[in-house]
Amino acid sequence: KQEVTQIPAALSVPEGENLVLNCSFTDSAIYNLQWFRQDPGKGLTSLLLIQSSQREQTSGRLNASLDKSSGRSTLYIAASQPGDSATYLCAVSTNNLFFGTGTRLTVIP
Amino acid sequence: DTEVTQTPKHLVMGMTNKKSLKCEQHMGHRAMYWYKQKAKKPPELMFVYSYEKLSINESVPSRFSPECPNSSLLNLHLHALQPEDSALYLCASSQVPNAGVLNSPLHFGNGTRLTVT
Repeated sequence: KQEVTQIPAALSVPEGENLVLNCSFTDSAIYNLQWFRQDPGKGLTSLLLIQSSQREQTSGRLNASLDKSSGRSTLYIAASQPGDSATYLCAVSTNNLFFGTGTRLTVIP
Repeated sequence: DTEVTQTPKHLVMGMTNKKSLKCEQHMGHRAMYWYKQKAKKPPELMFVYSYEKLSINESVPSRFSPECPNSSLLNLHLHALQPEDSALYLCASSQVPNAGVLNSPLHFGNGTRLTVT
């Protein structure tokens, strides 16, 4: 069964810092990978979707990379802001969508 | 604002009650999903509907009964729940997976926070 792990589980950074969130998965036979953001008590917002044939996707200050063969993805956030504080989840798509354990990010003003 | 609307936002029910969770989307998506999320855990898939037909049931107990009356609506009927069923229930929608492959983003609602007493 696919297992998706995110490290670190929690991260605190000062405002303005660039940061990287990590996602690893055990079965490289995926179709795509998505990064989501979840605010406390809320639903998930899709940030980026990378197809298995792609290496990276960019949206504004966010850049997601995918190394399918090694089972890894990273989400790079540039110039972090307090509004970026949330839990970030990655999810890999095979015959189902498997979510990672999440990274809780706090950006300190 | 989310394009997937879930009601109610909060629900407290006893173990003998019958209640329903509702989800509505107007994005033209023909795939809709129910997820369950416990505190500090990732969402777990419960049910998937494609073209208003149940396509995936992840071995969910029968006290949870989904219904998709039309392409915009998804309900989850609850009966005789247990306290351990307390969780955030999330609805999502997407374009229909192609040959079982989901290649488009999922759009989530804000969820219903369910407490079973």
